[in-house]
Amino acid sequence: GAGVSQSPSNKVTEKGKDVELRCDPISGHTALYWYRQSLGQGLEFLIYFQGNSAPDKSGLPSDRFSAERTGGSVSTLTIQRTQQEDSAVYLCASSYRGLIQGNEQFFGPGTRLTVL
Amino acid sequence: SQQGEEDPQALSIQEGENATMNCSYKTSINNLQWYRQNSGRGLVHLILIRSNEREKHSGRLRVTLDTSKKSSSLLITASRAADTASYFCATDGGGYSTLTFGKGTMLLVSP
Repeated sequence: GAGVSQSPSNKVTEKGKDVELRCDPISGHTALYWYRQSLGQGLEFLIYFQGNSAPDKSGLPSDRFSAERTGGSVSTLTIQRTQQEDSAVYLCASSYRGLIQGNEQFFGPGTRLTVL
Repeated sequence: SQQGEEDPQALSIQEGENATMNCSYKTSINNLQWYRQNSGRGLVHLILIRSNEREKHSGRLRVTLDTSKKSSSLLITASRAADTASYFCATDGGGYSTLTFGKGTMLLVSP
């Protein structure tokens, strides 16, 4: 079946604009994760959804970042008033069950965000 | 803060040679996973080893885990040019917690 998909694949925006990134997880996966990866760095955890609720938002870097998930499926990550330091690749992953079960995470191809 | 720290940061070998990458972590874990990333985009899961396991094999991959030393190693045998990628270890902190990724080892396999 289809893997995790993300859109857009690339986004260039001007400082101060809002952006919305979308993630379509694998059908039937209850858990969904957002990460951010800056150039040459590891993955920085942002937020985790179990179903439609987000038990762990601890990684969101500021109140300009928000995310939601509807219908236990699609998730959107919104960054308001973008700053240049928001430039990174934003990766989404999903897993069949949640974190405590230690399941493999399946990653999407990412959205490369560039803030000018 | 980073939980998993891989070393070396970069590794360059010839096709056919073995590649060994190490990962150290700080807190207790339920399991440790290794992922591969090509071209800075999506990651691909390679192998998961649970805290009560010491060694695991999958094809040309061999992973070891030493919980007393809080370290793991990933061995790729008979490497191929297609193995060129960045390799990350990821740990959970025990109980309910998110995965924490290290900065990765960049592996270059030359034909």
